[in-house]
Amino acid sequence: GAVVSQHPSRVICKSGTSVKIECRSLDFQATTMFWYRQFPKQSLMLMATSNEGSKATYEQGVEKDKFLINHASLTLSTLTVTSAHPEDSSFYICSARDQYEQYFGPGTRLTVT
Amino acid sequence: GIQVEQSPPDLILQEGANSTLRCNFSDSVNNLQWFHQNPWGQLINLFYIPSGTKQNGRLSATTVATERYSLLYISSSQTTDSGVYFCAVGFQGGKLIFGQGTELSVKP
Repeated sequence: GAVVSQHPSRVICKSGTSVKIECRSLDFQATTMFWYRQFPKQSLMLMATSNEGSKATYEQGVEKDKFLINHASLTLSTLTVTSAHPEDSSFYICSARDQYEQYFGPGTRLTVT
Repeated sequence: GIQVEQSPPDLILQEGANSTLRCNFSDSVNNLQWFHQNPWGQLINLFYIPSGTKQNGRLSATTVATERYSLLYISSSQTTDSGVYFCAVGFQGGKLIFGQGTELSVKP
């Protein structure tokens, strides 16, 4: 199957700082990538759809100015959590879609202190 | 919006037992995938199955799209099968909506 990587796997930052998470499709090109958030013992919630060369589409309730998404190439999407606060602490997971299936990265665990 | 319901929410099995996990969805979809989330959080693709039946080793899945449900069968369970199993349904544009998952624990 296809491989999707994420970096970093774990990050701890202070309240008020910004954190960037990278998502790469390693062996296929993805015009569309997706960003999800998962709280402990809960399911994955779709945050936004990242489209190469155009603006991201955000789900209802997701703050566009807090979660900045850039899909600069067919293999790279980034999520920047701006002015992070403790309530932004979560597990962030990206995915990339080939013709049919979505493949998921290993996730990034963000802790804001 | 579409509702995705999985059952049971929790399941405890003895090693070697068989199990069936169910996923009901409330609207027509053009994609359905089953995933296993391991203890480190990685989602592992099990099946892409918008309709029909597929098998992969001890796992098989069936989706009856007209009746809006899918089943995941695990036979001869092993401790390494433990984790959370998610079904997710998809729409045009590729969005996936996840169910709440079934947490499986296989005891030796």
